[in-house]
Amino acid sequence: EVQLVESGGGLVQPGGSLRLSCAASGFTFSNFWMLWVRQAPGKGLVWVSRLNTDGSITSYADSVKGRFTISRDNAKNTLYLRMNSLRAEDTAVYYCVRPGYCSDPSSCYTPFDSWGQGTLVTVSS
Amino acid sequence: DIVMTQSPDSLAVSLGERATINCKSSQSVLYTSNNKNYFAWYQQKPGQPPKLLLSWASTRESGVPDRFSGSGSGADFTLTISSLKAEDVAVYYCLQYYSIPFTFGPGTKVDIK
Repeated sequence: EVQLVESGGGLVQPGGSLRLSCAASGFTFSNFWMLWVRQAPGKGLVWVSRLNTDGSITSYADSVKGRFTISRDNAKNTLYLRMNSLRAEDTAVYYCVRPGYCSDPSSCYTPFDSWGQGTLVTVSS
Repeated sequence: DIVMTQSPDSLAVSLGERATINCKSSQSVLYTSNNKNYFAWYQQKPGQPPKLLLSWASTRESGVPDRFSGSGSGADFTLTISSLKAEDVAVYYCLQYYSIPFTFGPGTKVDIK
């Protein structure tokens, strides 16, 4: 069974930093691209970032580009999201997501099929 | 960016009746080389992460009841719940995974009338 367990959320002041982690199990982590999706309280879903299997290809939403960094440690089966220069509008539940398998190491367009329970990040003074 | 719109914003349906949700994308998400629509439907219940119901516009995920069906192609899609059950109360989102940035619709809340 695929399991994705996020951690690292909490209360942080505007301008602060936070690192989220996602521990993956139940599948061969190093074979899958990974994603982060967020959801502000009472709002809809927003894709944040994605990363290929070896960590060499990244993509970001414009709203977080230059402030957030996605990375992974395949030896530890863990995905990360480093968030800097946090703003009030970054307040959200952050979900770690595994998309469907992609055979192409340079391109991946598959549905988001497994989600963690999420970790809440609150940016407030 | 591909903009996803959903209608209605919310709907209330009697138990056992049909619920229909529409989603439109601002451009086609049909990849003509493989004739696949890069489009999915999700169900989200309060306090839970989203759950994938249908991918590739109409392929039901394992374990999803057959009362859920998806149709459409290109830029117009529909999710149908053929006979609403109490456990179907949720917010339903569409997603395009055709191009970066991946984008979701704003959601449709389904309640019991």
